[in-house]
Amino acid sequence: AQTVTQSQPEMSVQEAETVTLSCTYDTSESDYYLFWYKQPPSRQMILVIRQEAYKQQNATENRFSVNFQKAAKSFSLKISDSQLGDAAMYFCAYRSGGGADGLTFGKGTHLIIQP
Amino acid sequence: GAVVSQHPSRVICKSGTSVKIECRSLDFQATTMFWYRQFPKQSLMLMATSNEGSKATYEQGVEKDKFLINHASLTLSTLTVTSAHPEDSSFYICSARLATGTGELFFGEGSRLTVL
Repeated sequence: AQTVTQSQPEMSVQEAETVTLSCTYDTSESDYYLFWYKQPPSRQMILVIRQEAYKQQNATENRFSVNFQKAAKSFSLKISDSQLGDAAMYFCAYRSGGGADGLTFGKGTHLIIQP
Repeated sequence: GAVVSQHPSRVICKSGTSVKIECRSLDFQATTMFWYRQFPKQSLMLMATSNEGSKATYEQGVEKDKFLINHASLTLSTLTVTSAHPEDSSFYICSARLATGTGELFFGEGSRLTVL
């Protein structure tokens, strides 16, 4: 079974600064996808960024980028120019490449933005 | 992006009653939908995978007779919590997978169940 580990229960960053959220995972599969989801107080899950394991290039979405280290099974999220609206729970998630399985989530990191 | 709607968003019921939660994909077809449970300040735990026209697949430890799942059409899956008890109180979230293309997943807004 796959596992996803987020070792930072809470992180705090000053507005406009950069923060990195850590995520490691364990799998024996070679084909899979990794995701970062944001869950604000409304509880709606919002996809932040997605990475296909077969792609070597790190995914980027505006201020959000990942550092995908496949050999180390590490998938960290970097948020640049942090904004107050970035405050939320962030979940790292794994999905098998076949797509038939649901997502396996990490325990989440609570991100606090200091004004 | 595609929209997934859950209803009701909040429900309060008495112990022993059954509650049905609906998950609808509004503008796309979803052959597969997933049901998650989230306790306060915890992560989402996959409960079951719902496939249109067939029986749901439950994760280990999830009672299939307690959490009935029906996926009768390509746009609707329902989760019925039968004979609910206070320990069933939780936040239930569904996600729907695009039947075509990338198979992207989209989440509903979640349903908060409180059992008195």
